[in-house]
Amino acid sequence: DVKVTQSSRYLVKRTGEKVFLECVQDMDHENMFWYRQDPGLGLRLIYFSYDVKMKEKGDIPEGYSVSREKKERFSLILESASTNQTSMYLCASSFLTGVSGNTIYFGEGSWLTVV
Amino acid sequence: AQSVTQLGSHVSVSEGALVLLRCNYSSSVPPYLFWYVQYPNQGLQLLLKYTTGATLVKGINGFEAEFKKSETSFHLTKPSAHMSDAAEYFCAVSRSSSNTGKLIFGQGTTLQVKP
Repeated sequence: DVKVTQSSRYLVKRTGEKVFLECVQDMDHENMFWYRQDPGLGLRLIYFSYDVKMKEKGDIPEGYSVSREKKERFSLILESASTNQTSMYLCASSFLTGVSGNTIYFGEGSWLTVV
Repeated sequence: AQSVTQLGSHVSVSEGALVLLRCNYSSSVPPYLFWYVQYPNQGLQLLLKYTTGATLVKGINGFEAEFKKSETSFHLTKPSAHMSDAAEYFCAVSRSSSNTGKLIFGQGTTLQVKP
């Protein structure tokens, strides 16, 4: 089975702190994603990576950065956490080629509260 | 630009009744369409997907969806609801045919199943 593992399920951080959310996948997927999930808004793409050291901004990249030094690991960084970044964060991965409509596999999510 | 609209943020059915969750999309390219389910405190799991070919798609747990190009719809149905179907359901469309990893999600529909 594909496994996407998010290291922290629940975090509470203070405003202004630097926050790292870590994600690891074990299926040798090229694509990795970070989404943010908020009630009534569905999932919104923060950042996307299709290869090591490659990244693309998604729909809501402001206040976030990412790092992909190894193929299996994709980190989301909140440089200076703010209360409006309190949310559920979902990591996901998939194979690169999209001809057949590749399935995205999701981690279980990280609930971040910024106080 | 692609977009997804799920009609109804909450749907309530009785156990054994028909489940119908509505999804309409807009896409400037032939769409790849997905339904995902999220159980409480978990990540998203793929229910089914439409890429090409047969417009009636069968998924896991007895769910199916029909792609109707003329109506730009991809509604999810299940003939008989079970209590275990209570969850949040997301419809999604691929942003492009070249890399279906980047999805646009609807706002989500919470399904309640009453005994």
